[in-house]
Amino acid sequence: EDQVTQSPEALRLQEGESSSLNCSYTVSGLRGLFWYRQDPGKGPEFLFTLYSAGEEKEKERLKATLTKKESFLHITAPKPEDSATYLCAVQGNAGNMLTFGGGTRLMVKP
Amino acid sequence: ETGVTQTPRHLVMGMTNKKSLKCEQHLGHNAMYWYKQSAKKPLELMFVYSLEERVENNSVPSRFSPECPNSSHLFLHLHTLQPEDSALYLCASSQVVLGDTEAFFGQGTRLTVV
Repeated sequence: EDQVTQSPEALRLQEGESSSLNCSYTVSGLRGLFWYRQDPGKGPEFLFTLYSAGEEKEKERLKATLTKKESFLHITAPKPEDSATYLCAVQGNAGNMLTFGGGTRLMVKP
Repeated sequence: ETGVTQTPRHLVMGMTNKKSLKCEQHLGHNAMYWYKQSAKKPLELMFVYSLEERVENNSVPSRFSPECPNSSHLFLHLHTLQPEDSALYLCASSQVVLGDTEAFFGQGTRLTVV
């Protein structure tokens, strides 16, 4: 059974204070690891897909990295508008379903 | 606008009511999904329709019934729900091809069962 654990559950940062969110996973044959951003009362918004260890992707202040056991979402010099819940999900060889972690709620104060 | 539209956005229903949630995707995808998001719990997959074949989570109660008349439309029929079924119900779609499987979500339907 695929499992995803995200840490920390909540993270408070000052504007400009860089940090990283962690996603640890176990999966039977990784087909993809996905990062989403979710604002309150809205659906998750797709950010990145990572397919293999060593891969990195960037988008504005966000950078996602992948190893064989975990993924990190690095946030450089965050702004208040980066405040949201960040979700990590994996897709294994068993099918098209995504298994999600519990998310990290990020709050960036001005 | 994500290309996946859900209606209604909010729904309040009694335990004896019958209602349906609707989802439409405009992305040309060939797989559609229903997820449930409860407070402080990970997103839970309920149903998948992939290449017109239905795959379901065996832990979903029979009071939830999906329908997928074509690759662009997905419904979730609700009947005799319980208060613990109150949650955000999310629809998603993806293109099932090798190496390109990210799912795109709708804005969700906030369901309250009273």
